[in-house]
Amino acid sequence: DVKVTQSSRYLVKRTGEKVFLECVQDMDHENMFWYRQDPGLGLRLIYFSYDVKMKEKGDIPEGYSVSREKKERFSLILESASTNQTSMYLCASSSIIQGVRLNTEAFFGQGTRLTVV
Amino acid sequence: LAKTTQPISMDSYEGQEVNITCSHNNIATNDYITWYQQFPSQGPRFIIQGYKTKVTNEVASLFIPADRKSSTLSLPRVSLSDTAVYYCLVNTNAGKSTFGDGTTLTVKP
Repeated sequence: DVKVTQSSRYLVKRTGEKVFLECVQDMDHENMFWYRQDPGLGLRLIYFSYDVKMKEKGDIPEGYSVSREKKERFSLILESASTNQTSMYLCASSSIIQGVRLNTEAFFGQGTRLTVV
Repeated sequence: LAKTTQPISMDSYEGQEVNITCSHNNIATNDYITWYQQFPSQGPRFIIQGYKTKVTNEVASLFIPADRKSSTLSLPRVSLSDTAVYYCLVNTNAGKSTFGDGTTLTVKP
């Protein structure tokens, strides 16, 4: 079974702290994604990566950065956490079809519920 | 990116067939259509993916008309455990996916 593991299920951080959310996948997937999910807003893409050291902005990248030093690991970084970044964060991974950067089935982690106080 | 539009919510009863339609008027030639299911406090789970006509797997069918501007997810004989949020996604060939607002399906006994 494909497994996408997020380092924490629940996290409480203080305003201004630097926060790292870690995600690891075990299926050698090329693509990895970070989403945030808020009530009434659905899932919104923050960043995604289609290869090691490659990243592209999603719909809401402001206030976030990412790091992908190894294929299996994709980190989301909140440089200076703010209360409006309190949310559920979901990591996902997927493979590509025949060299085309097209998503196949994406596998999601269980999510990290981050509270910034 | 092609934007999707779905009904916000739907109600059904156990044993009925449920059809959820998604509109994606700006779908591009290389885009696939994918549906996900999400239960509370869990990540979304893949249901089905298609490009055109009809795709069927063990849990659902996906109908896509010739113009591909919409798609319909069909869930046969739903049960209470199918109560969830269903998302329609249009995948660009840039590998970037944007989820819409989803449809909250409530199955009643």
